[in-house]
Formats: sequence, structure tokens, C-alpha cells
Amino acid sequence: AQSVTQPDIHITVSEGASLELRCNYSYGATPYLFWYVQSPGQGLQLLLKYFSGDTLVQGIKGFEAEFKRSQSSFNLRKPSVHWSDAAEYFCAVGGGSNYKLTFGKGTLLTVNP
Amino acid sequence: ETGVTQTPRHLVMGMTNKKSLKCEQHLGHNAMYWYKQSAKKPLELMFVYNFKEQTENNSVPSRFSPECPNSSHLFLHLHTLQPEDSALYLCASTPRPGEELFFGSGTQLSVL
Repeated sequence: AQSVTQPDIHITVSEGASLELRCNYSYGATPYLFWYVQSPGQGLQLLLKYFSGDTLVQGIKGFEAEFKRSQSSFNLRKPSVHWSDAAEYFCAVGGGSNYKLTFGKGTLLTVNP
Repeated sequence: ETGVTQTPRHLVMGMTNKKSLKCEQHLGHNAMYWYKQSAKKPLELMFVYNFKEQTENNSVPSRFSPECPNSSHLFLHLHTLQPEDSALYLCASTPRPGEELFFGSGTQLSVL
């Protein structure tokens, strides 16, 4: 069965500080991996995705993520956080012919001025 | 209009009411989804439709009845709901299995 673990429920950073959100996955084959962001009362917006190739992927809003197969991880990073980045972040795994995308429980990011 | 559109944005209903949620996607995708998002709970997959055929029903109670008349439209018919069904209901679509989902803004449902 596929699963995603986001170990941090809530993270607080200062504006301008660097950010890393953790994601570990379980998947029986080569995974497709995703990071989404959600503002309150809104749908989820795709930040970036990994299907294959270069293990460091760039996304929108200055985010990047690195796929590490040996650690079953796909951590999200940003070098300098802006107040507008405050939101909830979800990691997800899917792949192959499976229509089911499995999401983690999310990490709520608070940004202090 | 582009993307995935959900209506209504907000809905308040009593436990004996019947209402429907509507989702429309303008992306030419073949698969559509209903997810439920409750406070402090992970996203719960409810139903998946591929080319109008239901491919996933995640043990959803029968008081939720999906309908997919074509690849662009998806409905969720609601009847005799419970207060614990209050949640944000999200519709999504994808062009191919396993690839990214494109989400609507959701319907915030409150059951009184």
C-alpha cells in the first residue's frame, strides 16, 4: 500500500529564513511525487512534481524539492521564506496506472515578521 | 472559464435536506475525483471516475451519491447527512493516471 508521512504538523519560521518541509513515502514501484500548497478555504495548488530524471526539481514560487530514493524522501525547500508563503503544505505520492494519489496529513507553515 | 470550477462555494443544509455539489473541468481531462477534507484530518479520497466510469469508491456511505454524466462534469448528491459530514469537499481532475491533480476551490459544507 502507498503512504506518505509528513512528520511535522506545524512549523514556524521567520521571514527571510530558510525552510525545509519533510516528506517520507512508501510506494512499491517508481513513485510520482508531488508537493501542493493550500491557503485557508481554498483548493490545492501544485508547487512541483517529480516523475523521473534529475532528482532536484524546481517549482513555482521559488520552491525546490529533492528526491532521495535511498531515504524514501522528497523534502521541500526554500532558501528565503516570504510572509505570503504561510499556508498548509501537502506531499503526495502516486504513479503508474494507479489513479489513486495518496496525500500526507499536511504541514502548517506560519511565518513570523 | 479555465481550470476546475466548483459550485456552490458554501452550503449550509439541515440533516433532512437534499442538495447537490457540482464540479466542471475545462481542461480536457478524463478522470475526475471527489475528496473530503475535514479539520485536522488528512484528505480522504471518496470517488474516482475515469471516462465516466467509477473506478474507486472508498467505502463512502450511501448518503453520498456521485454522478458523472460526461468527462467534464461531476456531481455529488447529498441526502440525510450527519453533522460529521461538515467539511470542505474538493473536486479534482487529471489527464492520466498517477499524474498531478488539478483541484477546484472546494465547497465548504456545513450540516446543521
